[in-house]
Amino acid sequence: QKEVEQDPGPLSVPEGAIVSLNCTYSNSAFQYFMWYRQYSRKGPELLMYTYSSGNKEDGRFTAQVDKSSKYISLFIRDSQPSDSATYLCAMNIRSGNTGKLIFGQGTTLQVKP
Amino acid sequence: NAGVMQNPRHLVRRRGQEARLRCSPMKGHSHVYWYRQLPEEGLKFMVYLQKENIIDESGMPKERFSAEFPKEGPSILRIQQVVRGDSAAYFCASSQPGLAGHNEQFFGPGTRLTVL
Repeated sequence: QKEVEQDPGPLSVPEGAIVSLNCTYSNSAFQYFMWYRQYSRKGPELLMYTYSSGNKEDGRFTAQVDKSSKYISLFIRDSQPSDSATYLCAMNIRSGNTGKLIFGQGTTLQVKP
Repeated sequence: NAGVMQNPRHLVRRRGQEARLRCSPMKGHSHVYWYRQLPEEGLKFMVYLQKENIIDESGMPKERFSAEFPKEGPSILRIQQVVRGDSAAYFCASSQPGLAGHNEQFFGPGTRLTVL
């Protein structure tokens, strides 16, 4: 079983739709949660970073964390064709001096005009 | 303010040759991380370095792979005697010190290694 599970998709939605991207994890030591966006043939770009259960909003993006269910989500409102990319969730443990992020496989999103 | 820089962007090697991948962190960042991305897979952690120190190399293959981050100059990921299975995109990330830094890593554009 992978530490972090993410449906690879692809997920195709019409422009303007609300997109929901999800990850589940098995390691209860994970306390920090990140979402990255990766365009084709580019490096990942940090979108959101959160460490507490609940919601965090940034523009059209909302990150949600439910530690009791070991489940995190990223919502994109009013999706645009420019949002078409692969979205990667990433996690880190709390203790120790570690920069070892554990990534999900990534979900490919296509927003159609 | 330049971001994380990696070179070369594309590298082709024949089996048995050596590959050297370079990474210059963002200005003000003293921590460097290397990740590998195989086709259809997510990013896999390889190694975490600070200047002149390897902090965590738990993701590095035991043989043929090495990394350094010297006092002066870029971080280097070195792969000796490359095999076809080493073909992948290699990404470098950098951060500021501290726990928040570990969780806010900024990635470079990657080096795509092809082994013939």
